Amino acid sequence: EAGVTQSPTHLIKTRGQQATLRCSPISGHTSVYWYQQALGLGLQFLLWYDEGEERNRGNFPPRFSGRQFPNYSSELNVNALELEDSALYLCASSRIPGQYSYNSPLHFGNGTRLTVT
Amino acid sequence: AQTVTQSQPEMSVQEAETVTLSCTYDTSESDYYLFWYKQPPSRQMILVIRQEAYKQQNATENRFSVNFQKAAKSFSLKISDSQLGDAAMYFCAYRRRDNNNDMRFGAGTRLTVKP
Repeated sequence: EAGVTQSPTHLIKTRGQQATLRCSPISGHTSVYWYQQALGLGLQFLLWYDEGEERNRGNFPPRFSGRQFPNYSSELNVNALELEDSALYLCASSRIPGQYSYNSPLHFGNGTRLTVT
Repeated sequence: AQTVTQSQPEMSVQEAETVTLSCTYDTSESDYYLFWYKQPPSRQMILVIRQEAYKQQNATENRFSVNFQKAAKSFSLKISDSQLGDAAMYFCAYRRRDNNNDMRFGAGTRLTVKP
């Protein structure tokens, strides 16, 4: 099966601009998660979408937003970019959200490297 | 809040030798899952091994095994017969059993395998 795909691979923006990152989950997966991986830090949870709705968000400002489309693909939008937004953004999908998800671990994409200058 | 700590930013091992990566976590929950993920240079995160907190038996997956000490809140990963392809960043992760969306990751350990 095709894995989680993310685009673009690299994205260079200047401070104040907006960035849009895209993610296509594994076929049959309805949940999409976004994580930020800043240099030297672990993955920080950003957003969780399932069945087209935002289910939860991490401790990030409102300028980090996104959506999930009817085909379960997702976009992450970062407005008013700041230098510290430079990071690897990872998207993950899982088949089963909620409680009984032990057997449905996260499947990650290769990430989008966002550089803000 | 649950936090995951990986105290070894970098580790190295000789090919065919054994290496252990450390992970501790902080939680007040009794039922949760623990994971080790591998991130090679390709950047894709790959699940290596997982453990359910209520299971006392340590999980094993071929050359990978864990030492799960629930009372000590420790979850170390042992890689036996290390191979060059094992070189990667390794992330320890925690998730409450009833909360699929909030996976907490450690800062990672970069493993180098020397030929």
